[in-house]
Amino acid sequence: DADVTQTPRNRITKTGKRIMLECSQTKGHDRMYWYRQDPGLGLRLIYYSFDVKDINKGEISDGYSVSRQAQAKFSLSLESAIPNQTALYFCATSDMAESSTDTQYFGPGTRLTVL
Amino acid sequence: AQSVTQLGSHVSVSEGALVLLRCNYSSSVPPYLFWYVQYPNQGLQLLLKYTTGATLVKGINGFEAEFKKSETSFHLTKPSAHMSDAAEYFCAVKWGGSQGILIFGKGTKLSVKP
Repeated sequence: DADVTQTPRNRITKTGKRIMLECSQTKGHDRMYWYRQDPGLGLRLIYYSFDVKDINKGEISDGYSVSRQAQAKFSLSLESAIPNQTALYFCATSDMAESSTDTQYFGPGTRLTVL
Repeated sequence: AQSVTQLGSHVSVSEGALVLLRCNYSSSVPPYLFWYVQYPNQGLQLLLKYTTGATLVKGINGFEAEFKKSETSFHLTKPSAHMSDAAEYFCAVKWGGSQGILIFGKGTKLSVKP
C-alpha cells in the first residue's frame, strides 16, 4: 500500500461548489503539506502543518482552507471553487526528525477541474 | 525574495547523450538543495539531495549533481540518457533551518529521443 494517499484522484466540479481533497499517510510523519502544480509554474505551496496544532499559510493560500484532523490526515478545502483553481494538487509529508533536510514524500496527486 | 531558477523549461537529448539540467538559487547563504523527478501521471520522488559535506552528490538512476557555492548552482547531470529518464525534473531549495520550507523551481521537462 502507498505511504501517502490522496482522494479523490480526479474530480470535476462546477464554479461555486465546495470541494474537499483528502490526504492520508502511514509514514508516521509529523509534517504535511499541500501544493498545487500548474504547467510552467512548478509546485506552489498552499498550506503546511508541522504538527496537529500547527497550521501555516503558504505562498498561495487565498481561496483555500485546511484541516489537520489527526497526525495522519490533512484535508484541503476549496470553499467556493473557481475555474482558476483547476490544477493538479499534491499532498506531501516529511519527518520532523529530519527537519534540517526535509525530504518530502509525495502522494499521487488529485486532478481537479472546475468548470 | 529567495528564488530558484531552472534554465530551460524543456530539454531534449538523444538516447546515450549527456543530460544537463540547470538550477541556480538566489541567496549567498547556502541552502539545502534537492532534485525531484516526476514521471508521467505520478507524484514527485526524491532523486538526490545536498545538505553538508561532499559537494558532488550521487542519486538514483545514475544521476548526480554538484553544489557550487561560488556559482550558487546545483546542476543535475547524467552521462548517458536512457529512454526511461523522460520525465519532469524539479530543483528545490530550503533555507531557514528546521522551520524552513521547500521552494521549488518551475521544472524542466526532459525528452529523450531514440
